[in-house]
Amino acid sequence: EPEVTQTPSHQVTQMGQEVILRCVPISNHLYFYWYRQILGQKVEFLVSFYNNEISEKSEIFDDQFSVERPDGSNFTLKIRSTKLEDSAMYFCASSELGGRGTYGYTFGSGTRLTVV
Amino acid sequence: AQTVTQSQPEMSVQEAETVTLSCTYDTSESNYYLFWYKQPPSRQMILVIRQEAYKQQNATENRFSVNFQKAAKSFSLKISDSQLGDTAMYFCAFMKSFQGAQKLVFGQGTRLTINP
Repeated sequence: EPEVTQTPSHQVTQMGQEVILRCVPISNHLYFYWYRQILGQKVEFLVSFYNNEISEKSEIFDDQFSVERPDGSNFTLKIRSTKLEDSAMYFCASSELGGRGTYGYTFGSGTRLTVV
Repeated sequence: AQTVTQSQPEMSVQEAETVTLSCTYDTSESNYYLFWYKQPPSRQMILVIRQEAYKQQNATENRFSVNFQKAAKSFSLKISDSQLGDTAMYFCAFMKSFQGAQKLVFGQGTRLTINP
């Protein structure tokens, strides 16, 4: 079964450093997403992306965040200057044709970001 | 804006028992989609079951079934013959439609423990 692949699985970074989280969505999917889950809390939407543009972003997705699809396969989330409160699990997801098909989303296994 | 509420932070049952997790939501949409996701300790997000709001019949998937009450905006998950592997966080989620890039709105989650 096709998978969404995220790398790395765990990243530790110092406060103020830039990090890039990487995702390889399912190849025929058109819509891409990032979500965040602070430990013990609910999963929160960050941003959706389609046709090389941001479709929607949440209040969390401020100027410190950016997304990019640098080639035909990767989808990245960049945090420019990390803060302690950015420590969380970050999930990438992708969907085809806006979620049609058997179900709307396929999630990756997540990247645990720890800011120290 | 849509909201999803899970009022049971934690639940615990014995193996082979039946357990019901509650979820309520608020929306002004008439057509939408509801999901239950399972998050085991690995923190992978796994789709358990989904329900289309336009369908009156409750969705079932093996031991998992839902009780969808559209007028009451209630969407509970029933797990029959519970197994140790069902131990996980369970999140209820809402999606407005399958058109375009659509975000999932999650509830706070219910931590379910199945005891041997």
